[in-house]
Amino acid sequence: ETGVTQTPRHLVMGMTNKKSLKCEQHLGHNAMYWYKQSAKKPLELMFVYSLEERVENNSVPSRFSPECPNSSHLFLHLHTLQPEDSALYLCASSQGGDRVDEQFFGPGTRLTVL
Amino acid sequence: RKEVEQDPGPFNVPEGATVAFNCTYSNSASQSFFWYRQDCRKEPKLLMSVYSSGNEDGRFTAQLNRASQYISLLIRDSKLSDSATYLCVVRLYTGFQKLVFGTGTRLLVSP
Repeated sequence: ETGVTQTPRHLVMGMTNKKSLKCEQHLGHNAMYWYKQSAKKPLELMFVYSLEERVENNSVPSRFSPECPNSSHLFLHLHTLQPEDSALYLCASSQGGDRVDEQFFGPGTRLTVL
Repeated sequence: RKEVEQDPGPFNVPEGATVAFNCTYSNSASQSFFWYRQDCRKEPKLLMSVYSSGNEDGRFTAQLNRASQYISLLIRDSKLSDSATYLCVVRLYTGFQKLVFGTGTRLLVSP
């Protein structure tokens, strides 16, 4: 078992809903990440937080909004999503800085947008 | 052009076979290189780092050719439990340190 947990594991939502994904790491890391994994595509980095400060990732639509209240918790707030946003959303953590090499992933939230 | 390119497979091999995966990366400023493993419906996990001198971990051997921007993974004496998707990963600095993942190569080892 990894030290990164994610809830919920599965989520089905309509395009007008608002929901949040939660991630928690118990590894004492200071960097956390959100990734999107779609079928036949590589993992796409969405957001990075290092020491609770967000690193911009300009390619992510504003309907995805991250929040990092402390170094152990990370949220992804979702609103007015599109069906093409259906994917596996993975959270990861690492030591950050020059030690970003090994990232520890949570089990993911499988999101379906109807 | 994809930043990290891999043959998606699947590679179907019998138990005991030797199998090799290749990967190319486009950014010559890539700093570090890795292979991650992802089992079906599970999260990715680090398998091994890849060094210029080549490195081995049991049945797994990784090689890096910086001049050709090419990374390889060799698995000897394949086991059923090796069935998974193998992700080629590079570390880049683009204002912040980040890992860039390939699509992955799927391996199926059969009895």
